[in-house]
Amino acid sequence: AQSVTQLDSQVPVFEEAPVELRCNYSSSVSVYLFWYVQYPNQGLQLLLKYLSGSTLVKGINGFEAEFNKSQTSFHLRKPSVHISDTAEYFCAVSDRNAGNMLTFGGGTRLMVKP
Amino acid sequence: DAGVIQSPRHEVTEMGQEVTLRCKPISGHDYLFWYRQTMMRGLELLIYFNNNVPIDDSGMPEDRFSAKMPNASFSTLKIQPSEPRDSAVYFCASSPGLPGKEQYFGPGTRLTVT
Repeated sequence: AQSVTQLDSQVPVFEEAPVELRCNYSSSVSVYLFWYVQYPNQGLQLLLKYLSGSTLVKGINGFEAEFNKSQTSFHLRKPSVHISDTAEYFCAVSDRNAGNMLTFGGGTRLMVKP
Repeated sequence: DAGVIQSPRHEVTEMGQEVTLRCKPISGHDYLFWYRQTMMRGLELLIYFNNNVPIDDSGMPEDRFSAKMPNASFSTLKIQPSEPRDSAVYFCASSPGLPGKEQYFGPGTRLTVT
């Protein structure tokens, strides 16, 4: 079984500042890692994913994440946020050998202030 | 493709009534997932199907909830009888059968039980 911990439930940040949203996971098997974003009153959409290879993954809207196997982390970063990045962000993992079922973290609400 | 389609988008019903939520997955996707999202409990996986067969329904809260997938292009989630604590946003998601493929979420159905 896997578990995902998003350490911050809310992250307030000023526009154009950098941001890091933290994600740690626990698993006894190899996993795939995902970040999803949910804008108000919408479904979740994929930001980026890590399957294998380079540990630095680039996604949409200028976001990137780095997989750190030794620390079992997959933190999401953006060098300069916009007001439009205000949303809920979810980290998720899936067992490489168990279909595409996802285990989600509790979510982090990113609040970008002008 | 139109993406995952859910209907209705909003449902308001009285306690004790039957509620049926509908989902049309993306054509060709082998997996279908039903989630519930609330402020208190976050995003919860209720049940998922592989090739129309229910694989894991351990997240279904109680016998009042049932889900079916009669064919590859349609699934329903039924609550009978509904209770106020069922009020939530219900999401359907689908995914291809290949490992590492992400889930594609629908826009959700906002259910309010009065």
